Amino acid sequence: SQQGEEDPQALSIQEGENATMNCSYKTSINNLQWYRQNSGRGLVHLILIRSNEREKHSGRLRVTLDTSKKSSSLLITASRAADTASYFCATANPQAGTALIFGKGTTLSVSS
Amino acid sequence: DAGVIQSPRHEVTEMGQEVTLRCKPISGHNSLFWYRQTMMRGLELLIYFNNNVPIDDSGMPEDRFSAKMPNASFSTLKIQPSEPRDSAVYFCASSETGAKNIQYFGAGTRLSVL
Repeated sequence: SQQGEEDPQALSIQEGENATMNCSYKTSINNLQWYRQNSGRGLVHLILIRSNEREKHSGRLRVTLDTSKKSSSLLITASRAADTASYFCATANPQAGTALIFGKGTTLSVSS
Repeated sequence: DAGVIQSPRHEVTEMGQEVTLRCKPISGHNSLFWYRQTMMRGLELLIYFNNNVPIDDSGMPEDRFSAKMPNASFSTLKIQPSEPRDSAVYFCASSETGAKNIQYFGAGTRLSVL
C-alpha cells in the first residue's frame, strides 16, 4: 500500500490565501520530500526534511514533520495562481534503498 | 545539464504492438527509476536500477513489461504486446547516490493504446 497519503485530495483557494496539505506515512523514514507536478509535466522536487528535523522553510514554503505521528504538512503562504499544481509527499526509508515512496497527491487550485 | 530526457513525448499505438520508451538520465546520476501514472492508481514505481543493475522490479505489472539499462546514460522500458489498459503517462527519474534520494523527473511519455 502507499506509504504516503496526502490530505486533502483537492483544495481550492483564492490568491493570497495560505494552503496547507498533510501527509501521513507508515514506516520509519530517513527523510520526507515534497514534490510539485504542473499539469502535463514531470514532478519537481520542492523541499526535503530529514527525520531529525521538525520544521523547514524555503521561500513561501514551510514543512513540518512529526515522526511520532508519522505525519508532515506543507504550508504555502500567500498563494499565487502559479502555485496551481498537484503536490506529492515522498518518503525515503531504510528498507527501500534509493527508491522513494510517493503518495497520491493533493491537487491545489488557486484562483485569482 | 539538460535534465532527464524521455522520448517520445507522445505515443499512440494499436493493441498488440510493441512499444519502447526511452530515457537518458542526468549525467553522473547512478539511480534510474521508471514510474507509471494514471488517475486511478496514481504514481506507481515500476522498476529501478542502481549502477545499471535492476534492484527492484516488483512493480512491473506483468511479463509484457521489460526494462533494460545497457549503460549509465540510457534505459528503455518495453511493452510487448501492448494493451489498452497500459495507457498512462510513463515517467523516468534519476538520482545521485548520497544526495538524499532526491529524484529528478523527465517530462514523461504519454502512451495511448487503442
